[in-house]
Amino acid sequence: GDSVTQMEGPVTLSEEAFLTINCTYTATGYPSLFWYVQYPGEGLQLLLKATKADDKGSNKGFEATYRKETTSFHLEKGSVQVSDSAVYFCALNTNAGKSTFGDGTTLTVKP
Amino acid sequence: DAGVIQSPRHEVTEMGQEVTLRCKPISGHDYLFWYRQTMMRGLELLIYFNNNVPIDDSGMPEDRFSAKMPNASFSTLKIQPSEPRDSAVYFCASSPGPLNNQPQHFGDGTRLSIL
Repeated sequence: GDSVTQMEGPVTLSEEAFLTINCTYTATGYPSLFWYVQYPGEGLQLLLKATKADDKGSNKGFEATYRKETTSFHLEKGSVQVSDSAVYFCALNTNAGKSTFGDGTTLTVKP
Repeated sequence: DAGVIQSPRHEVTEMGQEVTLRCKPISGHDYLFWYRQTMMRGLELLIYFNNNVPIDDSGMPEDRFSAKMPNASFSTLKIQPSEPRDSAVYFCASSPGPLNNQPQHFGDGTRLSIL
């Protein structure tokens, strides 16, 4: 079956540091890939997505590239801020209409 | 635009009581999902609907849990009788359709505490 494996957390960084959160997947067919972010007390919200190989999704300074050859979709940001502290989920969609989520990675950014 | 609306935001009740969680999906979205989130088990899909019809309920923990979607704009998740281990945050999400490039839109959840 489909699965998503995320880098284990928690991750703690200083403000302005470079962020990478690793995500690899296993899926049949050609899934779309997503990163969601969850702030305290809120639901998950879409951060970015990529729908085919070599696509790059980007939003709010975050980027991720759909790498079919390595089945990966790593999240990166060049300079994190305190306000980026949240839980980040990698996910994939199959054609069945439902998503498979990773376990989430908690990011804490310290001033 | 109105997002997914869940109610109540918080619920505290005693073991054995019936609990009903409610969800209004985004208008025009054909898919509706119920999730449970805990520290121990993470985010778990309980059940999802397509055009008001349950498609996969394999994540529903046991017979104490039931979900309905009587129309396109309303769904409920019911726990009867409730137990302390049901304490969690329950999320509802909706998405526009079966194409795999559509993200899910989540509500802000219901934080349920069973004493």
